[in-house]
Amino acid sequence: AQKVTQAQTEISVVEKEDVTLDCVYETRDTTYYLFWYKQPPSGELVFLIRRNSFDEQNEISGRYSWNFQKSTSSFNFTITASQVVDSAVYFCALSEANAGGTSYGKLTFGQGTILTVHP
Amino acid sequence: DVKVTQSSRYLVKRTGEKVFLECVQDMDHENMFWYRQDPGLGLRLIYFSYDVKMKEKGDIPEGYSVSREKKERFSLILESASTNQTSMYLCASSGGVYTEAFFGQGTRLTVV
Repeated sequence: AQKVTQAQTEISVVEKEDVTLDCVYETRDTTYYLFWYKQPPSGELVFLIRRNSFDEQNEISGRYSWNFQKSTSSFNFTITASQVVDSAVYFCALSEANAGGTSYGKLTFGQGTILTVHP
Repeated sequence: DVKVTQSSRYLVKRTGEKVFLECVQDMDHENMFWYRQDPGLGLRLIYFSYDVKMKEKGDIPEGYSVSREKKERFSLILESASTNQTSMYLCASSGGVYTEAFFGQGTRLTVV
């Protein structure tokens, strides 16, 4: 069975600090997809990034960066120079691939990490 | 702008009532999902559907059923609501090319 673990339940930082959110996953599939979502206080989950199991390149998008390491089954998320607007719950998720190699969108989620950025 | 819309943001129902949670998407997606979110447990999949009139159980289907009569609409049904079904319910959809799921704003259900 698939499993996603986000060991950090809550993180509190002061604005402009860098913060890394950890994600460790388990799967028997050789083809899979990893995701990060942000859930602000409004409640709607916002998609941040998708990464497939064959692409281990790290990615940077503005202040956000992601480090995917298959060897340690980890997909960590770093926010550089955090801002108050980054305060949210962040979820890491894993999706199995169907026979065609694309994802159904059926996601297994981690427990979520509550990030609070103080001014 | 892609959109998944859930019919209610907040609901309060009594124990034993039959409860309907409605979800509509405007992206012509084949796949639709119902998740339940509880503190410390993340999101857990209740049911999903890959096509009209088709449904599959997720990880926690007990006490729930679903209906998908039209491609854009996916309903979650609590046959006889119980207090342990008090939770946040999130609907999502996904399509063939864009594999990420798009989520609705959530329905916070309280069963008293």
